[in-house]
Amino acid sequence: GDSVTQMEGPVTLSEEAFLTINCTYTATGYPSLFWYVQYPGEGLQLLLKATKADDKGSNKGFEATYRKETTSFHLEKGSVQVSDSAVYFCALTRNQAGTALIFGKGTTLSVSS
Amino acid sequence: NAGVTQTPKFRILKIGQSMTLQCTQDMNHNYMYWYRQDPGMGLKLIYYSVGAGITDKGEVPNGYNVSRSTTEDFPLRLELAAPSQTSVYFCASSYSANRVSEKLFFGSGTQLSVL
Repeated sequence: GDSVTQMEGPVTLSEEAFLTINCTYTATGYPSLFWYVQYPGEGLQLLLKATKADDKGSNKGFEATYRKETTSFHLEKGSVQVSDSAVYFCALTRNQAGTALIFGKGTTLSVSS
Repeated sequence: NAGVTQTPKFRILKIGQSMTLQCTQDMNHNYMYWYRQDPGMGLKLIYYSVGAGITDKGEVPNGYNVSRSTTEDFPLRLELAAPSQTSVYFCASSYSANRVSEKLFFGSGTQLSVL
């Protein structure tokens, strides 16, 4: 079945460091891909998305490119801030009625000043 | 700006007790979902609903029941609580799962412990 695999955490970085969180997927057809972020004590929020191959999603300095040839959707940010500390989830959905998001296990990011 | 509202935020149950986790949304969304989040395991779909009167099982439905009598409400029922149901539960909604640019709106979660 469809699945999402994320790099194991936690990821610990200093402020202004470069961030990459790897995400690969297995899916039939042409899924849409998402990154959600969960700040401490809160529910998940959509960070960015891409709906077809070679699309780049971006938001708040984060970027991810839909790479069909490598079935990947890696999350990147050039300069992280302490406020970026959160759990990041990669997810996919098949573009069919009645299907729901399939999430990866999440990657915890901790940024220190 | 209520969005998706879940109650309670925290609950401790004894084995065998029952309870209902409440979820309501004020965005007139068709689709609603219940996920559970276990440490290091990501989110697993329990049940979902595509509209009032229609529900369907997700990946981990055993031990749970749902109903959808109105567009706004989607309660999750635990009939005989077990320690394996200790988790954080999230309710979510979306306008339609047909649209490729779909975005889920999540509640703030219910932390449930079964002892």
